[in-house]
Parts: sequence; structure tokens; C-alpha cells
Amino acid sequence: KNEVEQSPQNLTAQEGEFITINCSYSVGISALHWLQQHPGGGIVSLFMLSSGKKKHGRLIATINIQEKHSSLHITASHPRDSAVYICAVDNTDKLIFGTGTRLQVFP
Amino acid sequence: KAGVTQTPRYLIKTRGQQVTLSCSPISGHRSVSWYQQTPGQGLQFLFEYFSETQRNKGNFPGRFSGRQFSNSRSEMNVSTLELGDSALYLCASSLAVIEADTQYFGPGTRLTVL
Repeated sequence: KNEVEQSPQNLTAQEGEFITINCSYSVGISALHWLQQHPGGGIVSLFMLSSGKKKHGRLIATINIQEKHSSLHITASHPRDSAVYICAVDNTDKLIFGTGTRLQVFP
Repeated sequence: KAGVTQTPRYLIKTRGQQVTLSCSPISGHRSVSWYQQTPGQGLQFLFEYFSETQRNKGNFPGRFSGRQFSNSRSEMNVSTLELGDSALYLCASSLAVIEADTQYFGPGTRLTVL
């Protein structure tokens, strides 16, 4: 079993829909990161969380440390949100990555 | 502030050769981490350098090595290349003032081994 599990693996949405991507982990962490990777490879860090909830524009990330679970929400999705979203946990000074969720948003 | 830069962006090598990849972090960032991304294994941690010292290492063979210079620039080297080393190699820098810190990724070097 992977130490970081994401679901779903693939997600298709219509523009405007509310989207949720889930991440569960089984190791101790000091923080959890949500990353976005566009075709071509560039990775952008969206959030770093160690507790609670963070919001940036249409993106919201939450983490429940007791349940070892985090969610990334996208409100009012847009085609430009199409990308791979990756959850990564900070474990003893190294990142362990989930396998990613491929999101496609159609107009 | 300039972002993280990596050179070269693309590289083609043959089996048995060696390769050196370079990463220049954001100015002021002292931590540089390296990652390998392949379709089969996804993203995997290679190693992390902080103030010229390797602080952490992932589960990769000794053919993978790295170093960091006094200006925080980092290089990674892969010797005796194998077909399976074909991947996107990403570096990321952070301030690393605290244990966990936001990482800023470079565009990556895409290595193809023939």
C-alpha cells in the first residue's frame, strides 16, 4: 500500500462545477503540500498545510491530522484548472508523493 | 525575484554514459531538493542539500549523486546511465528556515537514455 493515496485518479468536470480531490496518508508528517503540474512538467506549489484550512482564490485546502486526510477543493472550476494535482507529505525532511489526480475541465 | 532554473532543459544520452544536471535556486534559498518523475513510479525524492551538506537521501542507487556549492547552486550526476533513468528530473528550492517549508520547483530537465 502506498504511503500517500489520492482519489480519484482521473476527474472530468464541466466548467463551473465544484471539485474535490482527496488525499490520505499513513506516515507521520510535519506538513502536507498540494501541487499543480501542467502539461510540459512545471510544478507549482498551491498550499502547504500543517493544520486546519487555507484558501487562495477559488482553491481551498483542508487537513485533518487525526484522520490523516486532506482535501483540495476547487470552486467554480474553469478549463484553465485542467492539470494534474499532486498531494505530497513532508516526512522526516523528504517529500513523499501521491500518484496525482488528472483533472480535465470542459467548457 | 528570478525563479528556480535548471539546465539543460532536454538531454539525450546513451546507455553507459554519465550526465550532470544543474539547478540554480531562488536567491536566498539554502535548501535544494532533487526529484525524479517517471510515468511508472511517479515523483520520487532523490536527495536534499542544505548549506553544501546532503541532509537527506532517497532510495536510489549510488550511481545518483549530487553536490551543492557555496552559492547554493546544486548539481546532480548520474553515472553509467540505464534506460530506466529516462525521466523528468526536477529540483526545488526552499528557505528551509523551519522544518517544513514551501518548495519552489524548477521547470525540470527531461533526460532520455537511448
